[in-house]
Amino acid sequence: RKEVEQDPGPFNVPEGATVAFNCTYSNSASQSFFWYRQDCRKEPKLLMSVYSSGNEDGRFTAQLNRASQYISLLIRDSKLSDSATYLCVVNTDKLIFGTGTRLQVFP
Amino acid sequence: GAVVSQHPSWVICKSGTSVKIECRSLDFQATTMFWYRQFPKQSLMLMATSNEGSKATYEQGVEKDKFLINHASLTLSTLTVTSAHPEDSSFYICSARTGQEGQYFGPGTRLTVT
Repeated sequence: RKEVEQDPGPFNVPEGATVAFNCTYSNSASQSFFWYRQDCRKEPKLLMSVYSSGNEDGRFTAQLNRASQYISLLIRDSKLSDSATYLCVVNTDKLIFGTGTRLQVFP
Repeated sequence: GAVVSQHPSWVICKSGTSVKIECRSLDFQATTMFWYRQFPKQSLMLMATSNEGSKATYEQGVEKDKFLINHASLTLSTLTVTSAHPEDSSFYICSARTGQEGQYFGPGTRLTVT
């Protein structure tokens, strides 16, 4: 079983749509959690950290459920510029990356 | 945010030669730097963790004699791919940690071995 699992997608959504990505992790001792965004042939960039209380940054909302070892990312009012691969990342003593979920927003 | 640079951004080399990739933290000191490799449509895989002034810690399955890592200062780490082969062709990305919140990644180096 992979340490971090994500649905690879792609998710094809129209502009303005709301889309949700899910991620599960296997190591219950994981300490911190993140969503990164990676554009094609570019490095990953930190989108947001994820906290158990849930946190929001503009159109992006992240949620962590430690009991279920489940992380989510919600994107509201999708923009064309949101098209990218979203990486679920879990920190144990090192960062473990999921394979990413690809999002394609179309006009 | 913190800035990490990598050089070169892409390189083509012949099989059997060695290639050095530099990773620099431009506006902060990084006691720890990380080297990752990413094959197409796969996740980033950690190769090694590099601490300034000490030997790198390699992940299982990564040959330390093939991938030489040097972290000589708080702002520079280098990865040398020795005796490169076509299967070493990949996207190599470094990152540097500052504090406990995430890591900042370099722009990556695309290596093609012919």
